[in-house]
Amino acid sequence: DTAVSQTPKYLVTQMGNDKSIKCEQNLGHDTMYWYKQDSKKFLKIMFSYNNKELIINETVPNRFSPKSPDKAHLNLHINSLELGDSAVYFCASSPGTEISGNTIYFGEGSWLTVV
Amino acid sequence: GESVGLHLPTLSVQEGDNSIINCAYSNSASDYFIWYKQESGKGPQFIIDIRSNMDKRQGQRVTVLLNKTVKHLSLQIAATQPGDSAVYFCAENANDYKLSFGAGTTVTVRA
Repeated sequence: DTAVSQTPKYLVTQMGNDKSIKCEQNLGHDTMYWYKQDSKKFLKIMFSYNNKELIINETVPNRFSPKSPDKAHLNLHINSLELGDSAVYFCASSPGTEISGNTIYFGEGSWLTVV
Repeated sequence: GESVGLHLPTLSVQEGDNSIINCAYSNSASDYFIWYKQESGKGPQFIIDIRSNMDKRQGQRVTVLLNKTVKHLSLQIAATQPGDSAVYFCAENANDYKLSFGAGTTVTVRA
């Protein structure tokens, strides 16, 4: 009964490939996020969606495309993978878009290694 | 044990001692702050939060202190246990839809 689940947990792929990471939350939350954590543990937001609508799109390369088929799912597709894309990608969700008072719940992370 | 200054990446503390993890935030408009704990191989987990109209908030074994004058936040963990070993992040929100994370502090508890 994992609240925010993402797959795969580990992914090793070659440069130039296209890959997807899937995320699902069973908390009934309206807002979902993708965060990227680099090798120095810096966590940075990439995208957020509220009820399938894009709310935040940070300066992320166009090769990254989020897709939210419904408010319980937010998938991340990455085209033409580069070495610098190697990181841990965290999916998260919260009841609403207002940060204050809406706890953000994180998934377990997807470790992406590009070789 | 205590981490000092803008950022100290690691903190080693004896089991049973109190830990103090410090964080300097950058945005004077931030009005909501959260501490997260990230255990190895897992996602960040909410510990405690504080709004800017408060300067102290207590939870179970944890206390967060906020000094808006110097833009400083600290997390105090009482009677540190081995299960407290993790990376701790402070995060700030400036009344928008984003949560900005600081660089983490790795806490190691010595038996």
